[in-house]
Amino acid sequence: QVQLQESGPGLVKPSQTLSLTCTVSGGSISSGSYYWSWIRQPAGKGLEWIGRIYTSGSTNYNPSLKSRVTISVDTSKKQFSLKLSSVTAADTAVYYCAREVWDDFGDYSHFDSWGQGSLVTVSS
Amino acid sequence: DIQMTQSPSSLSAFVGDRVTIACRASQNINNYLNWYQQKPGKAPKLLIYAASILQGGVPSRFSGSGSGTYFTLTISSLQPEDFATYYCQQNYNTPPWTFGRGTKVEV
Repeated sequence: QVQLQESGPGLVKPSQTLSLTCTVSGGSISSGSYYWSWIRQPAGKGLEWIGRIYTSGSTNYNPSLKSRVTISVDTSKKQFSLKLSSVTAADTAVYYCAREVWDDFGDYSHFDSWGQGSLVTVSS
Repeated sequence: DIQMTQSPSSLSAFVGDRVTIACRASQNINNYLNWYQQKPGKAPKLLIYAASILQGGVPSRFSGSGSGTYFTLTISSLQPEDFATYYCQQNYNTPPWTFGRGTKVEV
């Protein structure tokens, strides 16, 4: 069973860059038709999809964050990473990494595996 | 972006109740709709994908229906472990994927 684990600083100063890494274990990061996503959740609020990466390096980003987001992958380390620049207090949230998979017919995708979440607080 | 609107935002129910949560999309998304359950301090858990397909290991008391712009998640007989927040999520065509704001099911 694949497992995902986020890691990174829990506190980031305003205007700096938030950096998180997701380590994949119990399965391959580069085989199969998987996309690897970042999703965040401010305290007491809903879920916001940030973006995703395919193992080829192809990315998609949420337009609301696109100018500040970079997602990268290191298949040799079985990791993918999130960088969010110029952060403000509004970026304070629990950040999840998740695997997006397709059904057997390749028609429908869904997030089937999630990390436990990493709380990042933006504060001076 | 496609907007997802869930209703109600919260509901009170008892063990054994039949519970239905609605999710409406701002445009036709066919059946590209997933449902997740989230408990406090935990990551979301997939319940249903493609609007009505039960994820493996999920109890059969959960069911999903709908197509186009209107979808529902039904819990046929609410169990104590079902008290949680439920989110719908669309993945129609191309990103960005979007979630509803959630429905909290409480006693």
